[in-house]
Amino acid sequence: GAVVSQHPSWVICKSGTSVKIECRSLDFQATTMFWYRQFPKQSLMLMATSNEGSKATYEQGVEKDKFLINHASLTLSTLTVTSAHPEDSSFYICSALRGPGTPQETQYFGPGTRLLVL
Amino acid sequence: SQQGEEDPQALSIQEGENATMNCSYKTSINNLQWYRQNSGRGLVHLILIRSNEREKHSGRLRVTLDTSKKSSSLLITASRAADTASYFCATDKGAGTALIFGKGTTLSVSS
Repeated sequence: GAVVSQHPSWVICKSGTSVKIECRSLDFQATTMFWYRQFPKQSLMLMATSNEGSKATYEQGVEKDKFLINHASLTLSTLTVTSAHPEDSSFYICSALRGPGTPQETQYFGPGTRLLVL
Repeated sequence: SQQGEEDPQALSIQEGENATMNCSYKTSINNLQWYRQNSGRGLVHLILIRSNEREKHSGRLRVTLDTSKKSSSLLITASRAADTASYFCATDKGAGTALIFGKGTTLSVSS
């Protein structure tokens, strides 16, 4: 099956710093990737849709200036949490869409990145 | 925004018993999928059922979909301790759209 990687798998940072999380589709090209956030004991919440070569689309309530998304290539999307605060501590999961618009369209999820802001 | 609601929120059973989890959603869907997540880990895709399907099987898993009631159920038969995890349903509205996850059911299977 298709593989999606995330880096780093976990990160601890100080409040006020910025953290970049990478999401890569390793064996297919993904024009669309999605970023989700999961707080402890909660479900996954869609944060934004990342489209290669265009601006990301953010869900209501997600600050686009705080969560910067760059989808610069067909295999890489990055999420930068700027000026991180303890309330940003969460599990961030990306997914990459393979075969959009085809009967084989499938979302493949990365393993997630755990962020802890001190 | 979350679309799905799962019940129960938590389920504790003994090994060998069957576990049934339900999911309800609010708007029309294209596909409905079930995922498993072990504590602190990533998602494992279990099964996908399309809106024109009513039932699907995969090993010990059985999924049903009732679009008239906007609900789905996941049945795990002959459960094992290794089935202990959180289970989420997720729906999409069409090609190229994101998945909207339900709140999940935490299953605990004791040996």
